[in-house]
Amino acid sequence: KAGVTQTPRYLIKTRGQQVTLSCSPISGHRSVSWYQQTPGQGLQFLFEYFSETQRNKGNFPGRFSGRQFSNSRSEMNVSTLELGDSALYLCASSSSAAWSYEQYFGPGTRLTVT
Amino acid sequence: SQQGEEDPQALSIQEGENATMNCSYKTSINNLQWYRQNSGRGLVHLILIRSNEREKHSGRLRVTLDTSKKSSSLLITASRAADTASYFCATVAATGTASKLTFGTGTRLQVTL
Repeated sequence: KAGVTQTPRYLIKTRGQQVTLSCSPISGHRSVSWYQQTPGQGLQFLFEYFSETQRNKGNFPGRFSGRQFSNSRSEMNVSTLELGDSALYLCASSSSAAWSYEQYFGPGTRLTVT
Repeated sequence: SQQGEEDPQALSIQEGENATMNCSYKTSINNLQWYRQNSGRGLVHLILIRSNEREKHSGRLRVTLDTSKKSSSLLITASRAADTASYFCATVAATGTASKLTFGTGTRLQVTL
């Protein structure tokens, strides 16, 4: 079974621009979560989508948004990029609704904002 | 915000030795998980322990959980150079969504030959 894939793997953007990151979960997984990892703040939960609905959201500004498609693929968008948005963005999928706790992570997208 | 603190922040040992990492958390949990991350890549799930369990084993890994102290430890026995990585504990809250993990600060483990 193929793992979680994320595209692109690396991205360089300029402050003020917007960016869209993509995540394809493991086949059959319906839950997709996004995390931001920075040296200063560590790993922080952004949001989770299940069956095209946002089920949970972390404490990030509205510039961070996401969506999920009917095939469970997910995208996250960051508008008006700031230098502090430079981070490794990780996507994770899990198999079912309430009781599947193990998450499978993709390799991440490393975003650099200049 | 991160819920967990991990101790030590960094650990350097020789191959064959045991490595112990500790994690503390703040709120009531449904379960606690340990993940490994190699050099800025994705995380790999290692082991999950539920709040009603005290100890769990998986290969060379042994995890303990003390809910009264809100702490957990991960023991890697007979370490190998390939175990060099960062290790994170992550909790799932007792209430709320199963898919939201709250991560600790991580322990960087270096295993030398």
